[in-house]
Amino acid sequence: EPEVTQTPSHQVTQMGQEVILRCVPISNHLYFYWYRQILGQKVEFLVSFYNNEISEKSEIFDDQFSVERPDGSNFTLKIRSTKLEDSAMYFCASSSTGPATNEKLFFGSGTQLSVL
Amino acid sequence: AQTVTQSQPEMSVQEAETVTLSCTYDTSESDYYLFWYKQPPSRQMILVIRQEAYKQQNATENRFSVNFQKAAKSFSLKISDSQLGDAAMYFCAYRSARSGGTSYGKLTFGQGTILTVHP
Repeated sequence: EPEVTQTPSHQVTQMGQEVILRCVPISNHLYFYWYRQILGQKVEFLVSFYNNEISEKSEIFDDQFSVERPDGSNFTLKIRSTKLEDSAMYFCASSSTGPATNEKLFFGSGTQLSVL
Repeated sequence: AQTVTQSQPEMSVQEAETVTLSCTYDTSESDYYLFWYKQPPSRQMILVIRQEAYKQQNATENRFSVNFQKAAKSFSLKISDSQLGDAAMYFCAYRSARSGGTSYGKLTFGQGTILTVHP
């Protein structure tokens, strides 16, 4: 089965530093998502991205966050100035068709971000 | 806004027996999709089963089946002949079927249920 690839698997950073989390969605997919999961808590939606623009974002996704699809294959999440509370597992997901279908989201294995 | 509630933080089952995980949700929409995801210790999210709200027939995938009660807004997962590899965190999730609008494809997850399988 095709896979969504996320790098790195673990990222440690100092508070206030910028981090970029990278994802390679499945090649023919058009819809892209970031979710996060703070340890022991539910998985939370951050942002959806389609046609080179944000389709929807949650209230978590404030001005410190941005997403980009710089080269047609990678999909990145940037956190401009990390806070301690940004420590979480970040999941990238993609799907080939849009929300009005039951098409499943393919999730990556996640990047565990630790902010010290 | 939609909410998803899993009231069982932990469940356990003996190998080869059957277990049911509960999920309820709240929505004002009539058309939507429901999912169960499995998250093993590796923390990867794996789709177990999905259900379209417009379908009355309950979805089944091998040993996994759901009991979808639309009027009661209930979506439970039954795992038959439980195996050691079924041990994981299970998340129930909701997705609107409307394109555009305020719910553009996002999944809303419940809090999760940790399933332990005893040999």
